[in-house]
Amino acid sequence: RKEVEQDPGPFNVPEGATVAFNCTYSNSASQSFFWYRQDCRKEPKLLMSVYSSGNEDGRFTAQLNRASQYISLLIRDSKLSDSATYLCVVNMEGGGADGLTFGKGTHLIIQP
Amino acid sequence: DTAVSQTPKYLVTQMGNDKSIKCEQNLGHDTMYWYKQDSKKFLKIMFSYNNKELIINETVPNRFSPKSPDKAHLNLHINSLELGDSAVYFCASSQGALNDLEQYFGPGTRLTVL
Repeated sequence: RKEVEQDPGPFNVPEGATVAFNCTYSNSASQSFFWYRQDCRKEPKLLMSVYSSGNEDGRFTAQLNRASQYISLLIRDSKLSDSATYLCVVNMEGGGADGLTFGKGTHLIIQP
Repeated sequence: DTAVSQTPKYLVTQMGNDKSIKCEQNLGHDTMYWYKQDSKKFLKIMFSYNNKELIINETVPNRFSPKSPDKAHLNLHINSLELGDSAVYFCASSQGALNDLEQYFGPGTRLTVL
């Protein structure tokens, strides 16, 4: 069964703190992984792709753990503007657009 | 110079009506998609078109029909609207359909069926 699971939150985090959340996926053949960000009443936007070796973009670090079948997103020195819903996206069929599955998202609230 | 645009932004209509939502992308992408985001915020893919051919079709009622007049447009037509069709519909596009799956989303169309 195709599944991408995330803790819906909300995660309430003080400004400046570090926050991390995970996303688990059920299909071990999945090959492509992404984090998207969705602001309230807005469209999703790509935050970063997740590579096998892990990748970092400024304050954001994404990692993939194939053995345990999860990806993670770490946000350092969180800003008020980081408040959003973070969607985990997994290509469940091992390639191609037909298996692209979105998680339900993790709601993050950065508090001043 | 919006990359992916949708019209209308809001659509309120009665049950049983037929309506269309239009989508256009100016990115030169090969593949376009329609997603439905329900009240629980769950985003689910409905259709995608690659080079004017439907390449996926999830378990969507046949009341929903995508129409692609050209590579830059993918419209969504809905017949006999039902209450459960109320949701936000997002159009998206991507360059290719294999490894390069970064998707660019339109602003969404909020459909309310009364």
